[in-house]
Amino acid sequence: ETGVTQSPTHLIKTRGQQVTLRCSSQSGHNTVSWYQQALGQGPQFIFQYYREEENGRGNFPPRFSGLQFPNYSSELNVNALELDDSALYLCASSPGQGVTGELFFGEGSRLTVL
Amino acid sequence: DQQVKQNSPSLSVQEGRISILNCDYTNSMFDYFLWYKKYPAEGPTFLISISSIKDKNEDGRFTVFLNKSAKHLSLHIVPSQPGDSAVYFCAATFYSNYQLIWGAGTKLIIKP
Repeated sequence: ETGVTQSPTHLIKTRGQQVTLRCSSQSGHNTVSWYQQALGQGPQFIFQYYREEENGRGNFPPRFSGLQFPNYSSELNVNALELDDSALYLCASSPGQGVTGELFFGEGSRLTVL
Repeated sequence: DQQVKQNSPSLSVQEGRISILNCDYTNSMFDYFLWYKKYPAEGPTFLISISSIKDKNEDGRFTVFLNKSAKHLSLHIVPSQPGDSAVYFCAATFYSNYQLIWGAGTKLIIKP
């Protein structure tokens, strides 16, 4: 059974650029969630995708967008990068929409915006 | 507005003793609580959860206690082992909701 994998693990961008982060969900999981974790803070919910549709979104601006593909892998896109976007971006998969069980997280993509 | 708070950034405990990690929340509508553990360079891993209809849940060395009137939960680890050294996050949600709301984490250090 393959776990959640994310790529790239580290990347550096400059302000104003765009970035795409990728996530492969765990086998058998149809739901993917993305979280942003700033230094010294807990993860903050960005959005969730279920069967290729966004079905929940946190308090993030529209320049944060995503996709889920038929194989349930997912992308997080961030446009017009700002310095405050520097963070660890975590992808999590789960076998259903509701969060009453565990989420399975990847190791994250650490984004630095200069 | 922090709805889930972990007021201790770090905690140091002797190996073999009990570790107690605390978490407070402000939203009385939360009905499901979870603890996750995170090692450096790894994603968080689920540890244990509790529904608001219970006040205690056990899984091996780990026990979570929920005090709804105080809006407080705690994670007890007995006995503490060196491999328990990690950052522990408390998270809360509403039943069948799609997002977790997390505390800032507590770094647990188990001393040999």
